[in-house]
Amino acid sequence: DDQLTQSPSSLSAFVGDRVTITCRASQNIDTYLNWYQQKPGKAPKLLIYAASSLHSGVPSRFSGSGSGTEFALTINTLQPEDFATYYCQQSCRTPITFGQGTRLDIQ
Amino acid sequence: EVQLVESGGGLIQPGGSLRLSCAASGFSFRDYAMGWVRQAPGKGLEWVSVIRDSGRTFYAAFVEGRFTISRDNSKSTMYLQINSLRAEDTAVYYCVRTAPYGTGWYGKNDFWGQGTLVTVSS
Repeated sequence: DDQLTQSPSSLSAFVGDRVTITCRASQNIDTYLNWYQQKPGKAPKLLIYAASSLHSGVPSRFSGSGSGTEFALTINTLQPEDFATYYCQQSCRTPITFGQGTRLDIQ
Repeated sequence: EVQLVESGGGLIQPGGSLRLSCAASGFSFRDYAMGWVRQAPGKGLEWVSVIRDSGRTFYAAFVEGRFTISRDNSKSTMYLQINSLRAEDTAVYYCVRTAPYGTGWYGKNDFWGQGTLVTVSS
C-alpha cells in the first residue's frame, strides 16, 4: 500500500501568515495527489487535485506543488476560515490512502 | 447542484449487519465511480471502497470480505452492506463521488455527502 506521511501533524499560525504542509509518499505516485480541508463536524472538501490544480471555487491563496513522492500544500495570507484539518490523498492506485492529517490552529 | 445524501446509520450490536445508502442527484450517476470513506471519532479519514461505473469494485484491506459495495443506476443510489460489525467499525461513513483526471480512473473525490454515523456497541 502507498503510505502518506504528513508533516507537521499540527501547527499554530496567525491570520495573515503563510503556511506550508508537506506530504511524503512511500512510493512514486506521479501527480496523483489530492488535498482536502475538513472543519469540525463537517464533511471534507476538495481543495487541490492532481498535485497542483485548484478545485472550482477554492480561493487562489491555496496552492499545491510536487510530484513523485514529495508534495506540499501552501496557504498564503491565512484567513480565519482556513483554520481546519488538512489531509492529503493518493489516487495513483488502490487501495486509496490518506495522510494522517494536519491540524492548523489559530495562534 | 450535486447532492449526496447518506442514510442507514445507527446503533448496532457487534456481529450485526447494516446497509448504508447514498442517494445521488444533480449529475449523471451512471457515468461516475462512487465510493465510501469513513472517519472514526476523533480520527483521520480512511478509504473504504469504490465501485466503478462499470460495476467493478475495490476494497480496503481491513474490509476482509465483510463489506459489499453496490449500485443501482436506475435509482441513482449506491449501497454499502456491512456484515460482522466490530467496535472498530464505529465511524461516520461518507459517500463520495469520484471524478477522474489524467490517465487515472479514480482521480479525486470532488463531492462528499454529510455522512451517516454507525455506532457498534452492545
